[in-house]
Amino acid sequence: DTAVSQTPKYLVTQMGNDKSIKCEQNLGHDTMYWYKQDSKKFLKIMFSYNNKELIINETVPNRFSPKSPDKAHLNLHINSLELGDSAVYFCASSQRVFAAGGTGELFFGEGSRLTVL
Amino acid sequence: GQNIDQPTEMTATEGAIVQINCTYQTSGFNGLFWYQQHAGEAPTFLSYNVLDGLEEKGRFSSFLSRSKGYSYLLLKELQMKDSASYLCAVRERGGATNKLIFGTGTLLAVQP
Repeated sequence: DTAVSQTPKYLVTQMGNDKSIKCEQNLGHDTMYWYKQDSKKFLKIMFSYNNKELIINETVPNRFSPKSPDKAHLNLHINSLELGDSAVYFCASSQRVFAAGGTGELFFGEGSRLTVL
Repeated sequence: GQNIDQPTEMTATEGAIVQINCTYQTSGFNGLFWYQQHAGEAPTFLSYNVLDGLEEKGRFSSFLSRSKGYSYLLLKELQMKDSASYLCAVRERGGATNKLIFGTGTLLAVQP
């Protein structure tokens, strides 16, 4: 059973289009994240939701809009795609920090590779 | 500001020991993580340090010195499958958030 699953795994689209990436976790975690990994492999946080509430919102263009219908799902919608949006987008989840003595480590999905032409 | 530094690339020989260093300057500190990422795959958790000292987990160990803003990941008895990127990440102090700031990663190549 996949713990954190993302769809689609690959996405090729034209500039100006709108696209969505979906993420689901079956680990029972309260917190979910979106990270962007660019061509230099730098992994940067974009958003985080805790039990459907937005708690981290980094400096990201407002063309990016996350939505969390429930604590097991976190979707990412991107409007008016630009060439610079090409990257791998990783969804992740974690327990609340220090919940039950845990470390709060992130569990990542397999990534969604977005290519904007 | 936030700054996490790691060497970009390292090469080591199968069966040997390699140490990957990480130095950090962040807004508060609430734990340091090491992740492994094989090409085209998701990062996977390796180790966690929040207090000074060494944490050992099989062939992998991680060390932390908070006063020096320094950590290292030690890989023993290297295997070819250890060829991957190794990411150092620091969790910033900040209430209920679990914000991990990642370094750019160290690409390790293990040679026969």
